[in-house]
Amino acid sequence: DVKVTQSSRYLVKRTGEKVFLECVQDMDHENMFWYRQDPGLGLRLIYFSYDVKMKEKGDIPEGYSVSREKKERFSLILESASTNQTSMYLCASSFGGRDQPQHFGDGTRLSIL
Amino acid sequence: AQSVTQPDIHITVSEGASLELRCNYSYGATPYLFWYVQSPGQGLQLLLKYFSGDTLVQGIKGFEAEFKRSQSSFNLRKPSVHWSDAAEYFCAVAPRDSGYALNFGKGTSLLVTP
Repeated sequence: DVKVTQSSRYLVKRTGEKVFLECVQDMDHENMFWYRQDPGLGLRLIYFSYDVKMKEKGDIPEGYSVSREKKERFSLILESASTNQTSMYLCASSFGGRDQPQHFGDGTRLSIL
Repeated sequence: AQSVTQPDIHITVSEGASLELRCNYSYGATPYLFWYVQSPGQGLQLLLKYFSGDTLVQGIKGFEAEFKRSQSSFNLRKPSVHWSDAAEYFCAVAPRDSGYALNFGKGTSLLVTP
């Protein structure tokens, strides 16, 4: 089975802090994704990466950056956390084709105080 | 504009009753279609997917979905719901001709009553 592991289930940070969310997959997937999930808004794509060191902006990239130095690891960075970034963050990975299903981690519930 | 719509925000069914969750999409060409389920506090799990061919697709946990091109729909069904099916259900689409990311509907929350 595909395993997508997010480093923290719950995280509490303060406004202005730099926050790192880590995601690791064990299936040699080319694609990795970061989504944000909010009630009533569903899942919205923040960034995705289709190869090491390659990234594309999603629908809501403002206030976020990403890093993919190794194929199995995709990090989401909140440069200066703000309260409106309090949310559930989901990482996913998939093989390269558009028909490939995405496999999700269990999510990180991030609270910014 | 490309979109995915799940018209029902909440659905309540009795245990043992049948279930149908609706999903409509608006894309130029038939996209790849997926249904995911999210249990409380968990990530999303793939239930089933449609790419081409037979319009009735079987998935895990006894779920099936029917693709109807004329209605641009991909509705999820289950003949008899179990209490453990209570969860959030997401329809998702991926265009065949561009991008890699999924476009998700806003989800349908399923409540199962005894």
